[in-house]
Amino acid sequence: QKEVEQNSGPLSVPEGAIASLNCTYSDRVSQSFFWYRQYSGKSPELIMSIYSNGDKEDGRFTAQLNKASQYVSLLIRDSQPSDSATYLCAVNSQDNDMRFGAGTRLTVKP
Amino acid sequence: DGGITQSPKYLFRKEGQNVTLSCEQNLNHDAMYWYRQDPGQGLRLIYYSQIVNDFQKGDIAEGYSVSREKKESFPLTVTSAQKNPTAFYLCASSIQWGVSFYEQYFGPGTRLTVT
Repeated sequence: QKEVEQNSGPLSVPEGAIASLNCTYSDRVSQSFFWYRQYSGKSPELIMSIYSNGDKEDGRFTAQLNKASQYVSLLIRDSQPSDSATYLCAVNSQDNDMRFGAGTRLTVKP
Repeated sequence: DGGITQSPKYLFRKEGQNVTLSCEQNLNHDAMYWYRQDPGQGLRLIYYSQIVNDFQKGDIAEGYSVSREKKESFPLTVTSAQKNPTAFYLCASSIQWGVSFYEQYFGPGTRLTVT
């Protein structure tokens, strides 16, 4: 069974700080990695995708991938109260079997 | 505007009734998906469709049925055989099935409550 694990949180950070969200996965042949943001009562919204080892930056968001350690993370710089949401990690393999973690709830306190 | 629409947003049904959830997309995507989300759990795949007139069972297909008669539409029927139908149902689409780096985009969801 392919697993995607996330700390459920809640993770609480002060406004302006860096929030670090982590995700591990079990399937070694996973190829594509995605971060979704889900506000309470709403559907997931894609915020980042990453496919190769290293860092990928998009505005205040940085995704980091380490395939050897089967680890992907999302850093949110200068966190804002509007970043308060649940962040879902998703992992896709070459057989297109997308797996989602249960999500980490982030709270950014003003 | 391109996107995925789901209707209704909220749905209430009595136990023993079948109910159909609508999903429409105008993104010209070939692949469509239905997921179920329960509190504290990851999204679980119910059914997916690679292309028109084709669909495959996901991890939790029992008690559900789908059709894909048009590229734009992928309705989900929750039957009375589904033991715990109360959940948040999400429809998604991607450009093509079978290419792992194509992102999935989600509709706004339908929250179904069965009493």
